[in-house]
This record gives sequence, structure tokens and C-alpha cells, in this order.
Amino acid sequence: GAVVSQHPSWVICKSGTSVKIECRSLDFQATTMFWYRQFPKQSLMLMATSNEGSKATYEQGVEKDKFLINHASLTLSTLTVTSAHPEDSSFYICSPFRGNTDTQYFGPGTRLTVL
Amino acid sequence: KQEVTQIPAALSVPEGENLVLNCSFTDSAIYNLQWFRQDPGKGLTSLLLIQSSQREQTSGRLNASLDKSSGRSTLYIAASQPGDSATYLCAVNYNNDMRFGAGTRLTVKP
Repeated sequence: GAVVSQHPSWVICKSGTSVKIECRSLDFQATTMFWYRQFPKQSLMLMATSNEGSKATYEQGVEKDKFLINHASLTLSTLTVTSAHPEDSSFYICSPFRGNTDTQYFGPGTRLTVL
Repeated sequence: KQEVTQIPAALSVPEGENLVLNCSFTDSAIYNLQWFRQDPGKGLTSLLLIQSSQREQTSGRLNASLDKSSGRSTLYIAASQPGDSATYLCAVNYNNDMRFGAGTRLTVKP
């Protein structure tokens, strides 16, 4: 299967700080990157979709100015949680996509805890 | 509205039992359906992918079926082992828009 990495795997930060999460697809070029989050005991929810070189499309209820997504290359996308608050504590997972009806691959996830 | 439901929410079985996890979806216009495994605090591991034109897929002790007309998929696990304990997620792909079920938390007791 495809290799997807996320960094960091976990992060603890103080309220008000910004946190950047990197997602890399190591063995294929991702034309599209999906970002999901998962709150405890809940399913994954799509936050936003980004295509390389374009602005991301955010799902309803997700603040685009708070969750900044950069998809500058076909192998790297970043999600920056700006001015994080405790309610942003969650498990963030990226999913690079090649643009066909193939298996969906997911990063190992980043657990964010905001104190 | 495209909803994905998984039943049961939790399941506990003794080692060696065969078991079935259920997934239902409201919109049958799917591209494919995928079953994942998620261990506590970890990411997702893909188990089986069924294209919309397929009826089932098998991998080792796992067998997934798909009935688009009734909006259902099942994941069959044969001869369960304690290492199978995890949350199993069903994800339905609607034109690259994936909808996840809430998962079934499986515990296999030794």
C-alpha cells in the first residue's frame, strides 16, 4: 500500500498558539488532499479538500481562517491550526488522493491536545 | 442526505467465533466502499475495498460483501482472534466524497 506520513504524531500546546501539521505522500503524487478530524468516540469527519495549487474547499462548520491548508506540491500538504483552543483538541488525519476510484490511503494521524 | 450507519456499535465475542459487522448507506450511487480498522489512538488501516461493480472481496479471514440495491455491506471475520480487537469503520465513497460510519468496536476475548 501507499506510504503516507504525518508529522508530528502528537502535539500538546497552550491555548492561543498555532500548530502546523505536515502530511506527505511518499510514493505517489496526490492531486487532491483530504483533511479529516476525529473527536473521541466519534467517526472521522471531513474538514476540507484541497487540490494542488488551489485554495481549499471547507466543509460547513469548519472555519477556513482557523484551519489553514496549504497544498503547494503533489506530495506535501500542511494544516495549520491557528490560535488553537481546547475545543480544537482532536485527532487530525490526512488522506492524499490520486484522483481515481482506487483505495483511499490515510496518514497515521496527529493527536492535538490544546491546554 | 448521504448517511452511513454501522451496527452494532460494540461487539464482544470469545476467541474463535465467526462474526459479521454491518454497514448501511442511504444513497446507493457509490463509487466504492472500503472497510478500515482503527486501533486506539492510531490511524486507519485499509482492510478491503469493494468497487461499485463488485459483490464481494476477500482477504485472509476477512470477507466483505456489497449489495448496492439494498444499501448494505457486511464485513465477515472468520475465526476471530484477540488481535482482531479494534474499531472497524465502513467508508462509502461518493465521487471522492467519503462518508464514514461511526464504527463498530470489536473486542475478542481470549
